[in-house]
Amino acid sequence: EIVLTQSPASLSLSPGERATLSCRASQSVSSSLAWYQQKPGQGPRLLIYDASNRASGIPVRFSGSGSGTDFTLTISSLEPEDFAVYYCQQRSNWPPLTFGGGTKVEI
Amino acid sequence: QVQLVESGGGVVQPGRSLRLSCAASGFTFSISGMHWVRQAPGKGLEWVAAISYDGSKKYYVDSVKGRFTISRDNSKNTLYLQMNSLRAEDTAVYYCAKDLGVGGRYGYFDNWGQGTLVTVSS
Repeated sequence: EIVLTQSPASLSLSPGERATLSCRASQSVSSSLAWYQQKPGQGPRLLIYDASNRASGIPVRFSGSGSGTDFTLTISSLEPEDFAVYYCQQRSNWPPLTFGGGTKVEI
Repeated sequence: QVQLVESGGGVVQPGRSLRLSCAASGFTFSISGMHWVRQAPGKGLEWVAAISYDGSKKYYVDSVKGRFTISRDNSKNTLYLQMNSLRAEDTAVYYCAKDLGVGGRYGYFDNWGQGTLVTVSS
């Protein structure tokens, strides 16, 4: 099973600042990695898939990069609605599909 | 627009059974792979099971193999999760999620429901 480790566990920032979230895989997942945003009481929302492709309707301030074992989600300028928990997820050689532990972006 | 509405959650004693349902609308359910993902209270996400568009292929996380069964009824646009021999560690919000790709083995989730809470407790 591929283990995903996200860092930091939490990030305290202000609106307008840049957020950089990291996800590291225990073995190479090539580019088979996605990022999700989850707000309290809601199901997650797909932001990025295949490491760098924005999902439908996702603002351009969200971008993903990386391949192999190291990945980054960048939010170029935080909007108030971006404060949430972010998860990475891999689909390389599944099952199982696995998620990282999450990064909470808070004010 | 895509809608996924889960139901069937509740409080159940250890060792008992529960069946979750997910009513789908706004997309062609019969060509879409589907998944169940759960989230224990205050914890992260855990993929539970997946099913191909026609129900011929099913996949499970090891911790539920032999206890949970995923199924679908394409005539009713509904996904199911039959959960038997429930344990305290199965306590979670259960989400159904649509697979990003056509056919159902892409392995990303592009639409999610709001979830249904399952509490396993005596």
